[in-house]
Amino acid sequence: GQQVMQIPQYQHVQEGEDFTTYCNSSTTLSNIQWYKQRPGGHPVFLIQLVKSGEVKKQKRLTFQFGEAKKNSSLHITATQTTDVGTYFCAGQDGGANNLFFGTGTRLTVIP
Amino acid sequence: DAGVIQSPRHEVTEMGQEVTLRCKPISGHNSLFWYRQTMMRGLELLIYFNNNVPIDDSGMPEDRFSAKMPNASFSTLKIQPSEPRDSAVYFCASRGGGSGTQYFGPGTRLLVL
Repeated sequence: GQQVMQIPQYQHVQEGEDFTTYCNSSTTLSNIQWYKQRPGGHPVFLIQLVKSGEVKKQKRLTFQFGEAKKNSSLHITATQTTDVGTYFCAGQDGGANNLFFGTGTRLTVIP
Repeated sequence: DAGVIQSPRHEVTEMGQEVTLRCKPISGHNSLFWYRQTMMRGLELLIYFNNNVPIDDSGMPEDRFSAKMPNASFSTLKIQPSEPRDSAVYFCASRGGGSGTQYFGPGTRLLVL
């Protein structure tokens, strides 16, 4: 079945350092989404990537979708304490209505 | 826009009791999803509905779990009888037609003693 893995599972960084999380799917995806969940909160949609090789930016966040549409990454430049939380990728394939959520990367930013 | 509404926000119950979780999706959304989140297993899809019809319930752990969506504005997830291993945060999410984005509710934190 469909599986979406993320690495690393946990990441601790000093404030100001960069952070990257990687997402890999066992199958080709029609699109991939990224969500952020703050501690004690619920997942909140960040962005959706659809095209092969697509790159999108949101301020300090850069999202990439692989050429084969099976992997993705989220890079945060110069982390801030407000970036703390768990980042999930979620893949959707053309035949399914639901999302397959990755295992998540929990980011801790040390002031 | 009130967003997805879930109730109760917290539930503490004893093993063997029936638990009912409620969800009101965003008005106009035609898909509704129930998830369970634990430290060990992460975010798991339990079941989802399209236009009030259950489409995929393969994630429902066992017969103790059941979900209904009697109309477009309300869904329930029931656990009967509850067990300590059911302790988790249960999220409901909804999605509008033509969009892949899911909007999550605040979740119900369930503790079964």
